Amino acid sequence: SQQGEEDPQALSIQEGENATMNCSYKTSINNLQWYRQNSGRGLVHLILIRSNEREKHSGRLRVTLDTSKKSSSLLITASRAADTASYFCATDDKTGRRALTFGSGTRLQVQP
Amino acid sequence: NAGVTQTPKFRVLKTGQSMTLLCAQDMNHEYMYWYRQDPGMGLRLIHYSVGEGTTAKGEVPDGYNVSRLKKQNFLLGLESAAPSQTSVYFCASSDSMYEQFFGPGTRLTVL
Repeated sequence: SQQGEEDPQALSIQEGENATMNCSYKTSINNLQWYRQNSGRGLVHLILIRSNEREKHSGRLRVTLDTSKKSSSLLITASRAADTASYFCATDDKTGRRALTFGSGTRLQVQP
Repeated sequence: NAGVTQTPKFRVLKTGQSMTLLCAQDMNHEYMYWYRQDPGMGLRLIHYSVGEGTTAKGEVPDGYNVSRLKKQNFLLGLESAAPSQTSVYFCASSDSMYEQFFGPGTRLTVL
């Protein structure tokens, strides 16, 4: 079963608007990552937030993590048509398995 | 620096046929992974390796085998393909549990 579940499954916004997507997970984690996938391509790492961090920024990306609620959010500010992609959260776990578990993804469409 | 490459890019098999997918990375990463992605879903881990000569099962290992004879290569085998194995297969590598680098994918159809 998926460790992470993204919400919403799909999101359509206008260029210039902000896009927020959420991820919930089930077990304790060491860190949480967000990845982006353009249609038909492999995933690309965007940002990592550790379990002892609450917020992290990278350019137009802002990630928050609430370990008490086992949830994270990814905010993309001032979106561009080129941000159109699917976004996935991924978590490791504390079993020592050394592998990530990916959520089901949010499909973001940014209309020009 | 090619990063992570996958061969082939596309393949059509008949039920019962076998094939091997090749993943190669030139970043000297210890960890390598095979995932499958089905329509509208995230990635599910098939098998992974934490170093040359090691392999371990992921979430959905049944029907697949892997080998990591060389550090830079990770092979995924289907001994007897089934229609349920129609999917897009992604390989990834990492030098830690952190950022994973993905290949472009192999689109496999089993008829």
